[in-house]
Amino acid sequence: DAGVIQSPRHEVTEMGQEVTLRCKPISGHDYLFWYRQTMMRGLELLIYFNNNVPIDDSGMPEDRFSAKMPNASFSTLKIQPSEPRDSAVYFCASRTSGSRDEQFFGPGTRLTVL
Amino acid sequence: AQSVAQPEDQVNVAEGNPLTVKCTYSVSGNPYLFWYVQYPNRGLQFLLKYITGDNLVKGSYGFEAEFNKSQTSFHLKKPSALVSDSALYFCAVRDWVDKLIFGTGTRLQVFP
Repeated sequence: DAGVIQSPRHEVTEMGQEVTLRCKPISGHDYLFWYRQTMMRGLELLIYFNNNVPIDDSGMPEDRFSAKMPNASFSTLKIQPSEPRDSAVYFCASRTSGSRDEQFFGPGTRLTVL
Repeated sequence: AQSVAQPEDQVNVAEGNPLTVKCTYSVSGNPYLFWYVQYPNRGLQFLLKYITGDNLVKGSYGFEAEFNKSQTSFHLKKPSALVSDSALYFCAVRDWVDKLIFGTGTRLQVFP
């Protein structure tokens, strides 16, 4: 099992540019979570999906952030336009509905907005 | 609302000594508590969980956690620390539905 796959692993962009982060959950997992980790705010849940449907996006910081899950094996988190304060490590995690406890995290995408 | 608190930003311990990483919780109803570990440049990994049953829960890599209802605590412990245990440790609680609410994390540093 390849685990949760995220791409890119590192992204450096300039303020105002569009950024797209990608995630492939573990096959068979029907829950997908997007988190953001910063020194100041720790680990924050941004949004999560169940069976490709967004369930709770209350953690999305503002309209510049959007997330989609067009199918069971792919999700994107888009920031447009990006700002320096968006610099963080973004994690994707997945789990099955049968296991409400253990989430499997990807390696993360380190985003730097200059 | 469900929440957890990790009062220590960092814990330092010598290799071979016992370690404790503290966590307290605030929940309505029965608590569902977890510990995750994050090694450098990696995502979080599940260590152990408490749902019900024995107050002492055993997990991966020789870690265990003690659930104490009267003190609303769920401290992570290990009898003998290894340098390779150095990492960031997160306590978490499950909310009413599907989300995990994570603490702020405690950095464990084990010195040779």
